Amino acid sequence: GENVEQHPSTLSVQEGDSAVIKCTYSDSASNYFPWYKQELGKRPQLIIDIRSNVGEKKDQRIAVTLNKTAKHFSLHITETQPEDSAVYFCAITSNYQLIWGAGTKLIIKP
Amino acid sequence: EAQVTQNPRYLITVTGKKLTVTCSQNMNHEYMSWYRQDPGLGLRQIYYSMNVEVTDKGDVPEGYKVSRKEKRNFPLILESPSPNQTSLYFCASSFTGGGYTFGSGTRLTVV
Repeated sequence: GENVEQHPSTLSVQEGDSAVIKCTYSDSASNYFPWYKQELGKRPQLIIDIRSNVGEKKDQRIAVTLNKTAKHFSLHITETQPEDSAVYFCAITSNYQLIWGAGTKLIIKP
Repeated sequence: EAQVTQNPRYLITVTGKKLTVTCSQNMNHEYMSWYRQDPGLGLRQIYYSMNVEVTDKGDVPEGYKVSRKEKRNFPLILESPSPNQTSLYFCASSFTGGGYTFGSGTRLTVV
């Protein structure tokens, strides 16, 4: 079946620096690419998403870029803060369902 | 407020005692799904439903049942729970092809 590869599995950055998480996928029919943030013990929450007719989308310190030709998309967090520490999941649509990446644990060092 | 409501939040039960975890959404979403989350294994789909009376197996359906008699409700049934079903469970809903809204989660312990 379709799958999504997410890298890295763990990312440690200094507070104030930028963080980038990348996902690659195989289903060329996918047209919706969300990112979720999950804090410890809490539910995953949608933080940003992009559709395939758009190459980039920004929301304050968070941005997502999509390269449909190369089949990869990335989450960019700038000026990282302690509250950005969480696990981040990417996903793609395939046959009307979301296929999930394995997650990236983002650690913000003070 | 638009939300997905799961109950209970925490549950400790004994092996073999049937239990139901309820899930209800008030957003008129067609799609609903159940996931389990175990340390280091991300989100694994148990069952999903594209609409009323339409359900399908996900990646890890063994030991679970679901039903979708009404659009808003999607209960998860464990007929004979076993310790390997100890996990954190999430219900989610969406419009078809859209982003998911997750419930708060149910932490289940089977002893």
